[in-house]
This record gives sequence, C-alpha cells and structure tokens, in this order.
Amino acid sequence: QAVVTQEPSLTVSPGGTVTLTCGSSTGAVTNGHYPYWFQQKPGQAPRTLIYDTSIRHSWTPDRFSGSLLGGKAALTLSGAQPEDEAEYYCLLYCSGPVVFGGGTKLTVL
Amino acid sequence: QVQLQESGPGLVKPSQTLSLTCAVSGASVGSGNNYWSWIRQPAGKGLEWIGRIYSNGNPSFNPSLKSRVALSLDTSKNQFSLRLSSVTAADTAVYYCAKFPPGSWGQGTLVTVSS
Repeated sequence: QAVVTQEPSLTVSPGGTVTLTCGSSTGAVTNGHYPYWFQQKPGQAPRTLIYDTSIRHSWTPDRFSGSLLGGKAALTLSGAQPEDEAEYYCLLYCSGPVVFGGGTKLTVL
Repeated sequence: QVQLQESGPGLVKPSQTLSLTCAVSGASVGSGNNYWSWIRQPAGKGLEWIGRIYSNGNPSFNPSLKSRVALSLDTSKNQFSLRLSSVTAADTAVYYCAKFPPGSWGQGTLVTVSS
C-alpha cells in the first residue's frame, strides 16, 4: 500500500501565502489519484476543502486552491487568516485503496 | 445538502464486534456515483480510511483491516453500516462516515474498546 506524505508542520504569517504538499511513495501524484484536501480543527470533524485535485467545495473560501505541483498534490492558501490555523489532511485514491496523508499542522503566526 | 449521522454503541468489549450505522439524508445510498465511506481517528492521531461501499453495493477495504471489516447498504432505510470484528484496544477511535464525492462527513462517534 502506498504511503502518502505531508509536511508535519508549517507556519504562515497572517495575510501570507503557504503551500502544503501531498506526495505518494509509488511515484508522481496525478489527477487519477483524485486528490482531496481536508481541514480539521480541534474537537471537530474534518471538513472537505478540495476534491478531484482542484474543485472547491461549496463552503471553501476562494483563498484555498488545489493543484498538482512537482509530482505532488498541492494546497495553496493565499491571504492566510487566523481561522485557517488547523490540521490539514490529504487523501489519494491509490489503485483501489484510499490512503490519507499523515497531516500538516498549519500555524498562522 | 447531504447530511450523515453515525450511531452505535460507544463501548465494545475486546474480541467482540463493533457495529455502526450511518443514516443519510439528502441523497440516496443506492443511486448515483457515490462512495459511502468509513474513516476513523484515534485520539491525537491522524485519519485512517477503513473502507467504502459503492452505491451498487461493491465494497473495497483498507488492506490492513480487510479480514475484519464488513460493509453493507440498506436502501430501504437509506443507511449504510460498518462491522469490525475481533476488536482490541487499538480499535478505540472516533469513527466517521462520509460520502465521496464531494466529501460530506458525519460528526463522528467515539467508540471505546474496553472490558
């Protein structure tokens, strides 16, 4: 089973831009992995931000965008807000099984 | 707007079977290009995919759990279910049900495995 890797932690300044990435141990991430991105705040259920690489959910602020970058899936946050401080998880469909990344703790400071 | 709600016992004894149900509103479990999924999260840890069942009843599983997991759809009640057998303390977690695409989640339910 593939291992999906994310940065353990990142910090961004308020108003700044940060990119989170999601890689696969089996090779380049493509649209065929249908990358998803989720945001989870303490004590809450995860909330889907992005699906199928770059499609925003109905409630996703447009400061969040999804893409493929350098063989990985990427989530870019442009104009970070204090409320964006959270854990972010990616998910990949890996030829059958679905695999979550380990999560990135994003600090807005 | 799709809504999902997990239900089931909050406490299960070791070696027994964990059973959870996810009630769905706003979508039909038996139709559409929908995958009905179960995900869990131990306290302080990341998300783990357990398995999913397609709207036609075709399931797929996390290889590490496959031998212990059963998934089913109940179209008459518009719900889907998870059974996890031979549980141990390592199965203690918050269990979520979800619909993909585009990713709607239930609020989660804590299941503790303890005697």
